[in-house]
Amino acid sequence: AQSVTQLGSHVSVSEGALVLLRCNYSSSVPPYLFWYVQYPNQGLQLLLKYTSAATLVKGINGFEAEFKKSETSFHLTKPSAHMSDAAEYFCAVSYGAGGTASKLTFGTGTRLQVTL
Amino acid sequence: DAGVTQSPTHLIKTRGQQVTLRCSPKSGHDTVSWYQQALGQGPQFIFQYYEEEERQRGNFPDRFSGHQFPNYSSELNVNALLLGDSALYLCASSLLSGQGSYEQYFGPGTRLTVT
Repeated sequence: AQSVTQLGSHVSVSEGALVLLRCNYSSSVPPYLFWYVQYPNQGLQLLLKYTSAATLVKGINGFEAEFKKSETSFHLTKPSAHMSDAAEYFCAVSYGAGGTASKLTFGTGTRLQVTL
Repeated sequence: DAGVTQSPTHLIKTRGQQVTLRCSPKSGHDTVSWYQQALGQGPQFIFQYYEEEERQRGNFPDRFSGHQFPNYSSELNVNALLLGDSALYLCASSLLSGQGSYEQYFGPGTRLTVT
């Protein structure tokens, strides 16, 4: 079984400040990990993914995440927040059995607010 | 290159009715997954289709059924609608295997309201 826990349902940062969104996972097999962003009334957009290659993953819009197996974490960071980053962020886990795609299991999401 | 498309955008139904939602996958993708996202929650996996067969299923009742067509497009059917079925229904497409098979691309969703 696999699960994802996102700590903090709401995070507020000032424009230009560091963004840190936390994600911890549980998986009985080596996981694939993802961060998605959802803007109001829209679908999900893939920000970045970890698939057992480099542990530090860079994504779109200046976001990056580091896979730490010892801590079972995959926290999302961005050095400097922009107003346009305000959205809902979801961490998700899946596993690739035999190289095939599997279902995504999502966390409950973190709403990021960016203030002036 | 069109991404994942879904129709309709919004839908209002009455309890007990039946609904069909449609999804066209991203060009080149052969696998379609459906998710239900209740208000304020993360998406929950309903099922996944490949080669017109249900490949995986989440913890949803049999009222939820699906279909995949030879052109890889898909339908989600929900019978005997309940108020609790009100949600955003998301379709995601992917490749079953090979390079990038783990990436799922989402459509904009269909907002279903059951009254």
